[in-house]
Amino acid sequence: EVVLTQSPGSLSLSPGERATLSCRASQSVTSNYLAWYQQKPGQAPRLLIYGASSRATGIPDRFSGSGSGTDFTLTMSRLEPEDFAEYYCQQYGSAPQTFGQGTKVEIK
Amino acid sequence: EVQLVETGGGLVQPGGSLRLSCAASGFTFSNYWMHWVRQAPGKGLVWVSRISSDGSITSYADSVKGRFTISRDNAKNTLYLQMNSLRAEDTAVYYCESIVEARPNWGQGTLVTVSS
Repeated sequence: EVVLTQSPGSLSLSPGERATLSCRASQSVTSNYLAWYQQKPGQAPRLLIYGASSRATGIPDRFSGSGSGTDFTLTMSRLEPEDFAEYYCQQYGSAPQTFGQGTKVEIK
Repeated sequence: EVQLVETGGGLVQPGGSLRLSCAASGFTFSNYWMHWVRQAPGKGLVWVSRISSDGSITSYADSVKGRFTISRDNAKNTLYLQMNSLRAEDTAVYYCESIVEARPNWGQGTLVTVSS
């Protein structure tokens, strides 16, 4: 199965700063079927990006996804207070789908 | 708009059983594979099981193989997860998921607590 490794494990930033999260796959992700989710305590994961770079409906354009093959990035251009949360990547191009261990974005 | 609504969670004793349901709408349910994913308290997301569009192919994570059974009723647009021989480590929020036109869709989840 494809192992996804997210880095860093946690990130301490201030509102207005840029955040760059990484997701590295142990093998190439088929069709670049790589998604990013935001999750806040007590809530279901919220889809941000799918297909590596397509923003989900209603997601602000400060969120962007990039990458292909084995290296993917989620960038938040200017952090808003509501962006401090846990972020997960998921590959769904090959079975079984797998998830990264998460990156926590905290307020500095 | 794709909608997935999970029900059936609750408190169950170790060794007990529970059946989860997921009602689907907004897409042609019978055309798509479906999945269950779970998240234990304070932990990450883990895939549990999947089923083909016609129900003929299923697969499971090793941690639930032989204890959980995934099934579907395409006439009712509903996905199921029968969970037997439940253990404390099965305590989690369970989400159903569909991947429609390369876009994952999730429900809001249902909490299963295994405790005496």
